[in-house]
Amino acid sequence: DAGITQSPRHKVTETGTPVTLRCHQTENHRYMYWYRQDPGHGLRLIHYSYGVKDTDKGEVSDGYSVSRSKTEDFLLTLESATSSQTSVYFCAIRPSSGANVLTFGAGSRLTVL
Amino acid sequence: GQQVMQIPQYQHVQEGEDFTTYCNSSTTLSNIQWYKQRPGGHPVFLIQLVKSGEVKKQKRLTFQFGEAKKNSSLHITATQTTDVGTYFCAGREAGGSEKLVFGKGTKLTVNP
Repeated sequence: DAGITQSPRHKVTETGTPVTLRCHQTENHRYMYWYRQDPGHGLRLIHYSYGVKDTDKGEVSDGYSVSRSKTEDFLLTLESATSSQTSVYFCAIRPSSGANVLTFGAGSRLTVL
Repeated sequence: GQQVMQIPQYQHVQEGEDFTTYCNSSTTLSNIQWYKQRPGGHPVFLIQLVKSGEVKKQKRLTFQFGEAKKNSSLHITATQTTDVGTYFCAGREAGGSEKLVFGKGTKLTVNP
């Protein structure tokens, strides 16, 4: 969707290396989320942010950290990637008022060898 | 914690047949949302239900929210090949939780 971009879209890395995924929005939305999608598990929330420097854990936060130093960017970091973190990662945004729905980015496919 | 269960996991139908997916939450929800993800794509919002017993329609799609606000369903009448994809429900726990918990989705395939 226009207004939210994820980078990189595809990445292959080795076990033990650090990885950072970036989510960038131009909508000035307050809330930003990181989900991972795996076969048989659907979409699971990793971390979310409700403002600059304000973040909280989701249901599968172990092994991940996030940062939000400005409204438009929400970074997801894997300090030391493991094969279990091979997944498709989706960023989503939503405004603080009005329609209470998520707009998703196109996704980032990460493969950890 | 809150759990959202969705069945069936897979559904294969002939074009023209009806399709229904069901969603059940372990806790009372403030609202429920439905999303569709086309193969290779990202989830796209379809609709939100807020009121107990609410029913909404979008052309051939009918969405229902249970009286107890713990379950929901999506029914597609006379499926078409364009309906192919995975349908997710997502619920926000009553009480102001910010976390939107997704069901595992129902993958629909349509045989032309």
